[in-house]
Amino acid sequence: NAGVTQTPKFRVLKTGQSMTLLCAQDMNHEYMYWYRQDPGMGLRLIHYSVGEGTTAKGEVPDGYNVSRLKKQNFLLGLESAAPSQTSVYFCASSTPGTAREKLFFGSGTQLSVL
Amino acid sequence: SQQGEEDPQALSIQEGENATMNCSYKTSINNLQWYRQNSGRGLVHLILIRSNEREKHSGRLRVTLDTSKKSSSLLITASRAADTASYFCATAPYSGAGSYQLTFGKGTKLSVIP
Repeated sequence: NAGVTQTPKFRVLKTGQSMTLLCAQDMNHEYMYWYRQDPGMGLRLIHYSVGEGTTAKGEVPDGYNVSRLKKQNFLLGLESAAPSQTSVYFCASSTPGTAREKLFFGSGTQLSVL
Repeated sequence: SQQGEEDPQALSIQEGENATMNCSYKTSINNLQWYRQNSGRGLVHLILIRSNEREKHSGRLRVTLDTSKKSSSLLITASRAADTASYFCATAPYSGAGSYQLTFGKGTKLSVIP
């Protein structure tokens, strides 16, 4: 049972480039989340989804887009990367019954924007 | 905005000693959770305490919650080198839109010296 899988694990972009981070979960969870983690800032919610075909903004959504075309996948896109988006990105998932009680996290994507 | 704030930011102890870290929050909560993050890895759920509970135990972990002071503490007894990690508190709001979103603090970095 893989849990939550994020790809890629590392990526370096130049300012203005675009990329997509992929999150896949095999636990049949309804809810999925994208967080970013910066030194001294903890985790901040970027976007989340409560089900296939639905997405919503979190605390820091600017500069990011997401899509949830399939229940098991949640994509995070950067259309025009900026150095301020250098961060570690974490995907998480949960079930509706325990959405406020337990998140399962992937191992993260280290993104550097030069 | 950050809901939980951990204290201290960093803690270094000898193996076998107890480690205590604290979390303060600002608004009414449904529950408070603690997560552990090993270096370069995702967060792992440790324990949850509900707003109507005052203390909870799980193995070597003891969590307390004081809703009047809006604070919680995590005690790790008889620490081991393997406990070296960052520890985050996360709060789930009591109710309202987005009440299933967790808000994470900035974390306490624990170092256990063998």
